Amino acid sequence: DVKVTQSSRYLVKRTGEKVFLECVQDMDHENMFWYRQDPGLGLRLIYFSYDVKMKEKGDIPEGYSVSREKKERFSLILESASTNQTSMYLCASRKGGAATNEKLFFGSGTQLSVL
Amino acid sequence: QKEVEQNSGPLSVPEGAIASLNCTYSDRVSQSFFWYRQYSGKSPELIMSIYSNGDKEDGRFTAQLNKASQYVSLLIRDSQPSDSATYLCAVMNYGGSQGNLIFGKGTKLSVKP
Repeated sequence: DVKVTQSSRYLVKRTGEKVFLECVQDMDHENMFWYRQDPGLGLRLIYFSYDVKMKEKGDIPEGYSVSREKKERFSLILESASTNQTSMYLCASRKGGAATNEKLFFGSGTQLSVL
Repeated sequence: QKEVEQNSGPLSVPEGAIASLNCTYSDRVSQSFFWYRQYSGKSPELIMSIYSNGDKEDGRFTAQLNKASQYVSLLIRDSQPSDSATYLCAVMNYGGSQGNLIFGKGTKLSVKP
């Protein structure tokens, strides 16, 4: 089965720090996604990438950037962390192209706390 | 803003009963619909997908779609305590270069023994 691995399960950072969240998938999927999940707000899409070096903004891209230099790795970057970025971050991947109805495979999530 | 609406619950049903979870969506042109289950502290996992009007059955789960009413539901028959989780309705959005999912906020289901 597909494995989507997020580098950290829990992360604590200070306000103003630059934060990198890493995600790696092992099934040669074209599409990768970053979501954040907050109580009462559900899953919200931050950014997604449909191929290497390609990216598109999701619903809440402000304060975030992404990098996809290799097909298997998709990084989320918080340029200057703020307390309102405290959240659960979920990475997901999926086959691309005509297979956009394929299911999303999620990583186990990173709970980020910004103090 | 395309939206997916769900009753947040909690929905409480006794063991063995039918649990009915509902979802409405705002984008009339949506064609693909999904139900994900998320246990507390875990990631979402896909349990059902549906693309055509009508019912689709998979074991104890039945997804129902009515595009005219912009309504999709999930029925869980013979509910078990292990079904206690948050159920996320998701709708495919084709606004970008490739589709991405818009999720509802989820309905928390509790099955009481």
